[in-house]
Amino acid sequence: QTVVTQEPSFSVSPGGTVTLTCGLSSGSVSTSYYPSWYQQTPGQTPRTLIYSTNTRSSGVPDRFSGSILGNKAALTITGAQADDESDYYCVLYMGSGISVFGGGTKLTVL
Amino acid sequence: QVQLQESGPGLVKPSETLSLTCTVSGGSIRSSSYYWGWIRQPPGKGLEWIGNIYYSGSTYYSPSLMSRVTISVDTSTNQFSLRLSSVTAADTAVYYCARLARTGGYHIDYWGQGTLVTVSS
Repeated sequence: QTVVTQEPSFSVSPGGTVTLTCGLSSGSVSTSYYPSWYQQTPGQTPRTLIYSTNTRSSGVPDRFSGSILGNKAALTITGAQADDESDYYCVLYMGSGISVFGGGTKLTVL
Repeated sequence: QVQLQESGPGLVKPSETLSLTCTVSGGSIRSSSYYWGWIRQPPGKGLEWIGNIYYSGSTYYSPSLMSRVTISVDTSTNQFSLRLSSVTAADTAVYYCARLARTGGYHIDYWGQGTLVTVSS
């Protein structure tokens, strides 16, 4: 069974830059997986940040960006702010209507 | 503005069937541009994709839940539903319904608020 991998946790200093990644247990992530990224703060509904690798969802500030880095999808936050402290999930589309969530990355801003 | 709202029992007994309905407003479920899906999140854990349905009735399930899941759609009421059989405590979670855009990259563009379902006797 396909496993989508993410770093369990990451920390960044206020104003700093952080890159979270999304990989596959077997194989490389490409744009064909239409990687998307979601932000969730505790007790809240997830918010869509990025889709189709690098398209920002409406209202998402441009300090959030998506890309493919090597064999993984990546979410980069530039100029991190305190309210960016959240859980971040990637989703890969496997085709035939099937999508898989990564395990999520808990981002701490300190 | 599209809105999705989950409804159903908040407490289900072990071995019974969990049933939830998602009501879509502000847009038609009968659109070729979207899948309609269910996602869950156990307390303190990550998000898990359960499955999707297309308005035609075609379904797509997570391999890990496929044997217990049924998703159906009712275009006349603009609703879709989830049934999960033989539940255990491990199925306790917040269940979200969502709209998945098929164009411009497959992604969730609208989420329901989520509903907590507890499995307990």
